[in-house]
Amino acid sequence: AQSVTQLGSHVSVSEGALVLLRCNYSSSVPPYLFWYVQYPNQGLQLLLKYTSAATLVKGINGFEAEFKKSETSFHLTKPSAHMSDAAEYFCAVSVGTNAGKSTFGDGTTLTVKP
Amino acid sequence: EAGVAQSPRYKIIEKRQSVAFWCNPISGHATLYWYQQILGQGPKLLIQFQNNGVVDDSQLPKDRFSAERLKGVDSTLKIQPAKLEDSAVYLCASSFGGLSNEQFFGPGTRLTVL
Repeated sequence: AQSVTQLGSHVSVSEGALVLLRCNYSSSVPPYLFWYVQYPNQGLQLLLKYTSAATLVKGINGFEAEFKKSETSFHLTKPSAHMSDAAEYFCAVSVGTNAGKSTFGDGTTLTVKP
Repeated sequence: EAGVAQSPRYKIIEKRQSVAFWCNPISGHATLYWYQQILGQGPKLLIQFQNNGVVDDSQLPKDRFSAERLKGVDSTLKIQPAKLEDSAVYLCASSFGGLSNEQFFGPGTRLTVL
């Protein structure tokens, strides 16, 4: 069975600073990996996904993530944080033919300070 | 394109009462998911439908939870009787299908069981 660990339930950065949200996965087969963002009282929105193509994946809103098989990691980064980036972020993994069935991490709340 | 619709957005009930949630997926999406998101945790898959058939309900507490998607379009999730620990946000998602399909999430229904 696959699993995801998000390191740090809360991350705080200053506006304009680098955003780094950490995600490590466990999977016995090549995984599909996703990052979602959730704003208050809203559903999840896909930021980006890794599907065994390029290891550096670019997503919406200036976010990107790099798949590192040797480290079993899929960390999310953004060079310069904006106030509107404040939200909760979820990393998810799915495997096999049922790629729609994703296992989610417990989320990281990003706070952006002015 | 209309997104995933869910109703109601909020529901407060007392324990041992019953409750039902409704979801209408994006038009043309064959796959529909119900997730339970407890405060401070990531979403957990309860049930997955492919058209009107169940693909995975391994984590659905079948003694009290039931779900149907009779015509392969909209879906209803029911809890009867509710327990305090059922307090959560219930998210519905849909996807077109395929190995690396993207899930589109509705805004969720926040259930409070008193």
